[in-house]
Amino acid sequence: QKEVEQDPGPLSVPEGAIVSLNCTYSNSAFQYFMWYRQYSRKGPELLMYTYSSGNKEDGRFTAQVDKSSKYISLFIRDSQPSDSATYLCAAGGSNYKLTFGKGTLLTVNP
Amino acid sequence: NAGVTQTPKFRILKIGQSMTLQCTQDMNHNYMYWYRQDPGMGLKLIYYSVGAGITDKGEVPNGYNVSRSTTEDFPLRLELAAPSQTSVYFCASSNTGGSSTDTQYFGPGTRLTVL
Repeated sequence: QKEVEQDPGPLSVPEGAIVSLNCTYSNSAFQYFMWYRQYSRKGPELLMYTYSSGNKEDGRFTAQVDKSSKYISLFIRDSQPSDSATYLCAAGGSNYKLTFGKGTLLTVNP
Repeated sequence: NAGVTQTPKFRILKIGQSMTLQCTQDMNHNYMYWYRQDPGMGLKLIYYSVGAGITDKGEVPNGYNVSRSTTEDFPLRLELAAPSQTSVYFCASSNTGGSSTDTQYFGPGTRLTVL
């Protein structure tokens, strides 16, 4: 079983929709969780990070972690065509390394 | 700051050839990483370094070598290129190497094709 599982999609939504992206993880040693956004032919860039269970909000983006069920989510409100990208979830512990999911390709149609 | 820079952007190699992928960061980060990204497969860690002179294997190190003689540079060496090494390679760096307030900064990537 891969340590971080992510549905690769692709996911296609109309502009203005609420988008929900999800990952599950199996390693209880993971302490913090991140969402990276990767535009086509570019390197990933950090979008959100969370450390504890609960929600963290930043503008139109909300990251949610449920450590009891080992489930992490990213919600995008009022999605825009500029949100079209691949979204990668990642989990890290105390060993300097991140474990990434496969990424979900999101397309927001105008 | 330029952040993390990688050269070359693209490269086509023949089977058995060697090459070095260059990575430089100007943020004085101690931690540096090399990943490969295959279509639909996410990022796989090849090698990482926690400081100059210190390197360690990641998830998929076979066929690669690294060195870290300075804080800024972390080159990745392919000695005998194989078609299985066709991929996009990303270099990343971070300051504290794994805390909830740290992040890995990625370079723009090198697209390598081995024919």
